[in-house]
Amino acid sequence: NAGVTQTPKFQVLKTGQSMTLQCAQDMNHEYMSWYRQDPGMGLRLIHYSVGAGITDQGEVPNGYNVSRSTTEDFPLRLLSAAPSQTSVYFCASRSGVGGTTDTQYFGPGTRLTVL
Amino acid sequence: RKEVEQDPGPFNVPEGATVAFNCTYSNSASQSFFWYRQDCRKEPKLLMSVYSSGNEDGRFTAQLNRASQYISLLIRDSKLSDSATYLCVVLPNTGFQKLVFGTGTRLLVSP
Repeated sequence: NAGVTQTPKFQVLKTGQSMTLQCAQDMNHEYMSWYRQDPGMGLRLIHYSVGAGITDQGEVPNGYNVSRSTTEDFPLRLLSAAPSQTSVYFCASRSGVGGTTDTQYFGPGTRLTVL
Repeated sequence: RKEVEQDPGPFNVPEGATVAFNCTYSNSASQSFFWYRQDCRKEPKLLMSVYSSGNEDGRFTAQLNRASQYISLLIRDSKLSDSATYLCVVLPNTGFQKLVFGTGTRLLVSP
């Protein structure tokens, strides 16, 4: 059981380049989310999805796009990378049933540097 | 006021000590509560859910006080390996039920 997987683990981009961060989960979870975490700061929600075909914006969506064509995959696209997007990106999933068993699982993260 | 507030620390304790963290939340309708642990540069992982009646898992005890809107985490007999950041997480009872994360409390356990 792989849980939540993310690729790549590390990435260096030049300003203006675009790329896609991949995320996949094998737990049949409906809810998936993307967060960024900057040094000394908490997790900030970028985009989320409550099921295939349904996405919505979080707190910091500017500069990012998402899509959810399958339950398993939730890629995050950086449209035109900026140095302000240098961060660690975490993908996460949970069942969405609510309650104390609705554990959110995180992927190992992608460490992105934009030069 | 932030939805979830935690003392950032760091809490510096010697091995074997007992340490407690509190976390306050602003939404009285919040339905579920969790403690996550995050090691440096790693992903957060669930430490324990917090049940209304309080719950214990080995050296860790979690409590919920709905009247005062806070949860707590008690760690007994601290180990070096407990050094990490502890995140308070709240699941509101609205809409998408977006999990709300505190910014974390850093614990450093020294020999």
